[in-house]
Amino acid sequence: NAGVMQNPRHLVRRRGQEARLRCSPMKGHSHVYWYRQLPEEGLKFMVYLQKENIIDESGMPKERFSAEFPKEGPSILRIQQVVRGDSAAYFCASLLNTEAFFGQGTRLTVV
Amino acid sequence: TQLLEQSPQFLSIQEGENLTVYCNSSSVFSSLQWYRQEPGEGPVLLVTVVTGGEVKKLKRLTFQFGDARKDSSLHITAAQPGDTGLYLCAGSNNDYKLSFGAGTTVTVRA
Repeated sequence: NAGVMQNPRHLVRRRGQEARLRCSPMKGHSHVYWYRQLPEEGLKFMVYLQKENIIDESGMPKERFSAEFPKEGPSILRIQQVVRGDSAAYFCASLLNTEAFFGQGTRLTVV
Repeated sequence: TQLLEQSPQFLSIQEGENLTVYCNSSSVFSSLQWYRQEPGEGPVLLVTVVTGGEVKKLKRLTFQFGDARKDSSLHITAAQPGDTGLYLCAGSNNDYKLSFGAGTTVTVRA
């Protein structure tokens, strides 16, 4: 996990609010991955980004979810109008060769 | 989507016992990784196997990649409470996308 920073660690939102999850990859890495983990399920790929470019968003829900990785600053996973089903742990990762290095995750709870 | 199935889903053993968890797929992978995840933390990479039939050892952990590169196993000898966690396998085909299994939750009782 060293080097991949995610914040906040825990986020509570009421239904209908927006959630913003932030991720800074390992130093020198310009690509990030976002995964979602539900209880007793594996990690589900959401999106793969490089700076200023979305490479693969095939795992992202079509509505309410968006991701960006600007030239400066962290990558942002944004969930609009959250619903209870969005409650999950969201992990960001840097990839070195084919090996993923994960952050500690953001645990989103929608109440 | 390439599916990885892990078994068993849950495993509870006494300290000092051995255990094996399995990761199976109908798809061929160029490499396969094993991760361990502790509650409240992100997954941490344990090992990568790339060659069919490959065996890697990490202290009391032995990882094997199947000859056909479709399956893998993780064997823990003389398990300790510190081995408790969620063990995840993930497959890759030399691209950026890792496909994860649902994991095996291992509990080692003192």
